[in-house]
Amino acid sequence: EVQLVQSGTEVKKSGESLKISCKGSGYNFATYSLGWVRQMPGKGLEWMGTIYPDDSDTTYSPSFQGQVTMSVDKSMTTAYLQWSSLKASDTAIYYCARKGPSGYFDFWGQGTLVTVSS
Amino acid sequence: SSELTQDPAVSVALGQTVRITCQGDSLRSYYASWYQQKAGQAPVLVIYGNNKRPSGIPDRFSGSNSGNTGSLTITGAQAEDEADYYCNSRDTSGINAWVFGGGTRLTVL
Repeated sequence: EVQLVQSGTEVKKSGESLKISCKGSGYNFATYSLGWVRQMPGKGLEWMGTIYPDDSDTTYSPSFQGQVTMSVDKSMTTAYLQWSSLKASDTAIYYCARKGPSGYFDFWGQGTLVTVSS
Repeated sequence: SSELTQDPAVSVALGQTVRITCQGDSLRSYYASWYQQKAGQAPVLVIYGNNKRPSGIPDRFSGSNSGNTGSLTITGAQAEDEADYYCNSRDTSGINAWVFGGGTRLTVL
């Protein structure tokens, strides 16, 4: 069974750093890209970027380029999303999702709520 | 980058048929995929590719594409179908870029 399990809720202050995780299991982790998707409070889904675990090739949405860093540890079958200096506007739920062969996101993590106070 | 446009809200009477649409230039080249998100839950893929359903998705959900419009049809809507629905496709700006529509809130009356 394919599963993506994300790390827990985070409460941080503006300016702090943060790294959240997404652990995949039940499939060949290295050969499926993983996407990260932001959902701000009461808003829609926004694609942030995608990483291919086998070679860490990463594509960022222009809206998120330079704002976040995506990485992966193949040995741990875990992907990461990190911020070096959080802003209050980073408050959102962040989902990881596996990208299927034709580009759709077929399995999703449960989401990680990040709350940043100013 | 591309944009996908959805109606913000749609309603349907219990047991009736509803179509949710998604418009964008990228849909002239790529299929739309569709996701259902119930309150407080993660999105779930319901339609992908050329009208394909993942395992476990009821056959009352179907998809179609024409020109720059993708459509999700629910035939015989149930109370449990009340949710937000999002379309998604490749972004024409890059081979590894993706875009979501703004979402449609479906109310089942």
